[in-house]
Amino acid sequence: RKEVEQDPGPFNVPEGATVAFNCTYSNSASQSFFWYRQDCRKEPKLLMSVYSSGNEDGRFTAQLNRASQYISLLIRDSKLSDSATYLCVVNIPKWGSARQLTFGSGTQLTVLP
Amino acid sequence: DAGVIQSPRHEVTEMGQEVTLRCKPISGHNSLFWYRQTMMRGLELLIYFNNNVPIDDSGMPEDRFSAKMPNASFSTLKIQPSEPRDSAVYFCASRDPSGGAEDKNIQYFGAGTRLSVL
Repeated sequence: RKEVEQDPGPFNVPEGATVAFNCTYSNSASQSFFWYRQDCRKEPKLLMSVYSSGNEDGRFTAQLNRASQYISLLIRDSKLSDSATYLCVVNIPKWGSARQLTFGSGTQLTVLP
Repeated sequence: DAGVIQSPRHEVTEMGQEVTLRCKPISGHNSLFWYRQTMMRGLELLIYFNNNVPIDDSGMPEDRFSAKMPNASFSTLKIQPSEPRDSAVYFCASRDPSGGAEDKNIQYFGAGTRLSVL
């Protein structure tokens, strides 16, 4: 089983649609959870952290379910500029260190006009 | 803040040649990470340093790969000799030690070095 698994995608949605991405992680000791965004031929950039209580940033809502080891990202009113690959990222404690991050394989989103 | 700076942005070399990739982390960040990204394997951690000391190099593919961090503002990843299967985008990232409990592991990435080994 992969340490971080995401919806395979790709997702092709019309402008204005709501789209949801899901992610599961294998290590119950994980403490930090993020969604990163990666545009074509660019570096990954932090989109938002995922907090235990859930959090919202404008059109983006992230939720964490520790019991099910599940993370989600909801994008409302999607824009053409939201087209990118979304990476689910979890810290997997190794060798007593919690600093390392493990990246999911990413879900590609294309928002269509 | 200039962010994480990597050089070169692109490198084309022939099989058997030595390749050196460079990274300058964000000032004040005490952890530095080297990743490799390919279509087949996604983003893989190669090695990371904390306070200039290598902590985990279990992701380094083989002895042809080596990494150093002589000081807090500079790191290199070297491949010698290079092979066509090393072709990938290599990212460097640094971690901000500040931040709350849930934010302390955020990493910031450089623009990457796109390596092609012919």
